[in-house]
Amino acid sequence: LAKTTQPISMDSYEGQEVNITCSHNNIATNDYITWYQQFPSQGPRFIIQGYKTKVTNEVASLFIPADRKSSTLSLPRVSLSDTAVYYCLVGDGVTGGGNKLTFGTGTQLKVEL
Amino acid sequence: GAGVSQSPRYKVAKRGQDVALRCDPISGHVSLFWYQQALGQGPEFLTYFQNEAQLDKSGLPSDRFFAERPEGSVSTLKIQRTQQEDSAVYLCASSSVPGPNNYGYTFGSGTRLTVV
Repeated sequence: LAKTTQPISMDSYEGQEVNITCSHNNIATNDYITWYQQFPSQGPRFIIQGYKTKVTNEVASLFIPADRKSSTLSLPRVSLSDTAVYYCLVGDGVTGGGNKLTFGTGTQLKVEL
Repeated sequence: GAGVSQSPRYKVAKRGQDVALRCDPISGHVSLFWYQQALGQGPEFLTYFQNEAQLDKSGLPSDRFFAERPEGSVSTLKIQRTQQEDSAVYLCASSSVPGPNNYGYTFGSGTRLTVV
């Protein structure tokens, strides 16, 4: 299984851009990189997914360098409601039988006024 | 329904008691997953269904854990003879397509199981 490493916690202030970097040195060729967000007492929520270069949606951007050994989730102009745990995941490349999402411990982002 | 529904929301069980946790996935979703999340940790994979077939149960921690999805929709996770180490949040997720590299799963809010 491809493993990920990300900071345990980050602090920010409202209106700032937050970048959370994740390393995944042994990512497989057919693995995608996905980020989930989890609020207390809720299940994780899909944020964004990418394979290479840059992906942007209405919530975030995902930057992936050419070697794909790391990725950066960028949250523009965060607000208090962005306080949550953010998980970086990569697939294990299993074909046919479904996927085991490997979450790790995630990054606790705390946004303050 | 619009999302993945799990019941009960909270469950307190005495050690040794059997429990059953229910998951109603999004209608039509073929893939269904169960995860276990201990306090302060990320979710850990338990088992995977594609329709009614349980294709992967490698994450079930012991033979006290059993999951089923007999008609390819609702799923039940059963834990027999509960132990204190079973205390966790049990999350269910579903997806519209099977196979690899599909990570747009929708999670439910989970069932918080406390074994006393």
